Amino acid sequence: QQPVQSPQAVILREGEDAVINCSSSKALYSVHWYRQKHGEAPVFLMILLKGGEQKGHEKISASFNEKKQQSSLYLTASQLSYSGTYFCGTERTDSNYQLIWGAGTKLIIKP
Amino acid sequence: EAQVTQNPRYLITVTGKKLTVTCSQNMNHEYMSWYRQDPGLGLRQIYYSMNVEVTDKGDVPEGYKVSRKEKRNFPLILESPSPNQTSLYFCASRWANGYTFGSGTRLTVV
Repeated sequence: QQPVQSPQAVILREGEDAVINCSSSKALYSVHWYRQKHGEAPVFLMILLKGGEQKGHEKISASFNEKKQQSSLYLTASQLSYSGTYFCGTERTDSNYQLIWGAGTKLIIKP
Repeated sequence: EAQVTQNPRYLITVTGKKLTVTCSQNMNHEYMSWYRQDPGLGLRQIYYSMNVEVTDKGDVPEGYKVSRKEKRNFPLILESPSPNQTSLYFCASRWANGYTFGSGTRLTVV
């Protein structure tokens, strides 16, 4: 079952913060986050493992709440280069590396 | 450079004319996968392969075939393409913690 991402879209001014959520109704082993720019391939940002710690990547970090089966991606002091569509991919313990992808959150950063 | 190479980048074809989209990775990854991406639907898995000669259906396998005769290559075959297969296709291989995607193939079937 596809994880639910929210919001569907967000518009920010450069320097503002954003939070993107990814929720699943199934017990998860891991959550992946990717960013895709228009016309390009998705690019890996980070993976959150069950029982693991919050991860960070430059000014982008993420958390994984195992009780709620929810992950959140935090973008701090956003830059123009952060624009794109963010996808979460969820992996279950018994899934053999299979990821189920959310529909994506489109992030627009304005100067 | 570690990469997944897809060809062609763009393809326009006619209904029913067999085509193959090639995918090759140079990272010795065992797991490879094909996705299609349509507006508002995110990435949907077509087929995946856990290793050489081991392939399995994903969520939307109808109308597609794959093969995995060697570890580096994982071609996607459309035996008789139809207009509803017009989409953006990505090949990906999995390393320990994430996926590396090819640059994509935009297919139009008229």
